[in-house]
Amino acid sequence: DAKTTQPTSMDCAEGRAANLPCNHSTISGNEYVYWYRQIHSQGPQYIIHGLKNNETNEMASLIITEDRKSSTLILPHATLRDTAVYYCIVGPSGSARQLTFGSGTQLTVLP
Amino acid sequence: DSGVTQTPKHLITATGQRVTLRCSPRSGDLSVYWYQQSLDQGLQFLIQYYNGEERAKGNILERFSAQQFPDLHSELNLSSLELGDSALYFCASSVARNTEAFFGQGTRLTVV
Repeated sequence: DAKTTQPTSMDCAEGRAANLPCNHSTISGNEYVYWYRQIHSQGPQYIIHGLKNNETNEMASLIITEDRKSSTLILPHATLRDTAVYYCIVGPSGSARQLTFGSGTQLTVLP
Repeated sequence: DSGVTQTPKHLITATGQRVTLRCSPRSGDLSVYWYQQSLDQGLQFLIQYYNGEERAKGNILERFSAQQFPDLHSELNLSSLELGDSALYFCASSVARNTEAFFGQGTRLTVV
């Protein structure tokens, strides 16, 4: 039972913002939204997570809708090195340790 | 560099054999998690240890076992290997229950 829905692939021009959507319409009140990415067969890399407020760190911003049924990961100035599969995951606090990865979105940053 | 070290990076072995994969977590991290990533299954959680004790099990086969030692490093033992066990095996660690996990670079196991 998939908890998140993401587009299979997206392209983004280098230097532009990459906006990656995620639907999680069945999210419950205590579940967080986590984002990880995986660059070609390397280990997944944590990006950001949030509960209901928007979050920002040095890598990205996370925008969560008021009803919490969807979110958007924003890479403000995409570079070629951001080409990767991006995974959106929902789960209770601490569940980052037992991640259930879906298929993710293959983001390709084009020169 | 995540600070999580996995060895070996590559491993080729025959069906029916047994192998041991090793993981050293980041300094100070008490939790270790193992994941398997195969082409047709995606990334799947296998098992978690916290400070030497098993805390959670995922889709781990009975032929597979793991342990975490007093120095907090962990080993994943895979026995009676089958062709379908060929995959990338990742180890991750975290400092506490509600913090993000940091992944190693993985061990690529090929069973021939």
